[in-house]
Amino acid sequence: ETGVTQSPTHLIKTRGQQVTLRCSSQSGHNTVSWYQQALGQGPQFIFQYYREEENGRGNFPPRFSGLQFPNYSSELNVNALELDDSALYLCASSSPGGLSSYEQYFGPGTRLTVT
Amino acid sequence: KQEVTQIPAALSVPEGENLVLNCSFTDSAIYNLQWFRQDPGKGLTSLLLIQSSQREQTSGRLNASLDKSSGRSTLYIAASQPGDSATYLCAVRNSGNTPLVFGKGTRLSVIA
Repeated sequence: ETGVTQSPTHLIKTRGQQVTLRCSSQSGHNTVSWYQQALGQGPQFIFQYYREEENGRGNFPPRFSGLQFPNYSSELNVNALELDDSALYLCASSSPGGLSSYEQYFGPGTRLTVT
Repeated sequence: KQEVTQIPAALSVPEGENLVLNCSFTDSAIYNLQWFRQDPGKGLTSLLLIQSSQREQTSGRLNASLDKSSGRSTLYIAASQPGDSATYLCAVRNSGNTPLVFGKGTRLSVIA
């Protein structure tokens, strides 16, 4: 069973630039969620994709957007980067059904620094 | 709006001690609750998942309990070891395929 993977591991961008983060879900999982974790805080939900459709969104502006592909991998795109976007971005996958229904498995994260 | 609180924010204990981490949530109508471990700068490792119909789950030296009516969960760690040093996060899911709502975590240091 392959776990959740994310790329890149670290990224440094300049304010105003655009960034794309990538996530491969765990084998058999059809739901991918993205979270932003600022230093010293718990993760905050950005949005979720289920079978290539966005089916939930947190309190993040439209410059945060995403995609899910037929193989259930996903991308997070952030436009017009701001200094406050500096954070650890976490991807999680899950799948309904069974005793572990909707248990989320997280990837190692992408550390984004905006200067 | 669901809110999750974890107390204490930080905890330091000598090796070998048994300890309890606390998590409270404001809306008791949850679907499930997960405890995670996070090492500095790393992703989250799922430790235990408790469905709303369950009272507790155990894995090795870890035991998590859930009291939905009072909006509380505890994570009990037996015979703590320096390798247990990490931040422990509690998260609840309100229903089905909805996102997790996290607390800010408890930073645990186990001193050898």
